[in-house]
Amino acid sequence: SQQGEEDPQALSIQEGENATMNCSYKTSINNLQWYRQNSGRGLVHLILIRSNEREKHSGRLRVTLDTSKKSSSLLITASRAADTASYFCATESGATNKLIFGTGTLLAVQP
Amino acid sequence: NAGVTQTPKFRVLKTGQSMTLLCAQDMNHEYMYWYRQDPGMGLRLIHYSVGEGTTAKGEVPDGYNVSRLKKQNFLLGLESAAPSQTSVYFCASSYLFPGRRDTEAFFGQGTRLTVV
Repeated sequence: SQQGEEDPQALSIQEGENATMNCSYKTSINNLQWYRQNSGRGLVHLILIRSNEREKHSGRLRVTLDTSKKSSSLLITASRAADTASYFCATESGATNKLIFGTGTLLAVQP
Repeated sequence: NAGVTQTPKFRVLKTGQSMTLLCAQDMNHEYMYWYRQDPGMGLRLIHYSVGEGTTAKGEVPDGYNVSRLKKQNFLLGLESAAPSQTSVYFCASSYLFPGRRDTEAFFGQGTRLTVV
């Protein structure tokens, strides 16, 4: 079964608003990563947060991690139409460095 | 700078036929992965490799085989295709951050496979 479950499955907002999506996972992790996928394309790495970190920022992205609740959130501030895409969380666990992905959140930003 | 290249991009197979998907990366990455993506299911790991000559099973390995004879290539084989293998297949590669155990994956553009 998949490690991550994302919530919501789909999100529609207006340009300029903030978008928040959540990821829950099942087992202990080394790190959690967020990826973006534009329609019909491969995934692109956005940001990585390690298990001993609680918050991380990169441009308009803010990621939090709560290992006690086994959950993470991705906040995109001041969204743009170009942010329209699917967003996936992925976790690395154990010593194998294999990446296990969640089911994704489809974000639509209306201009 | 090609990154991760998948061939072919599209393919239609008849049930029972076999085929091989090729993934090539030019970044000297140790790790390589094959995923399948189905609507509502996200990406599921089929097989992965932590180095040349090594392979390991992922979440959904049944019906697939892989080989990593060269560091830059990771092949995914379907010996007898079934309609349930209709999917979009993604290859990825990653490296270990120096001094850390974290990796960042780079993805190919995908192969859309239809089995009829």
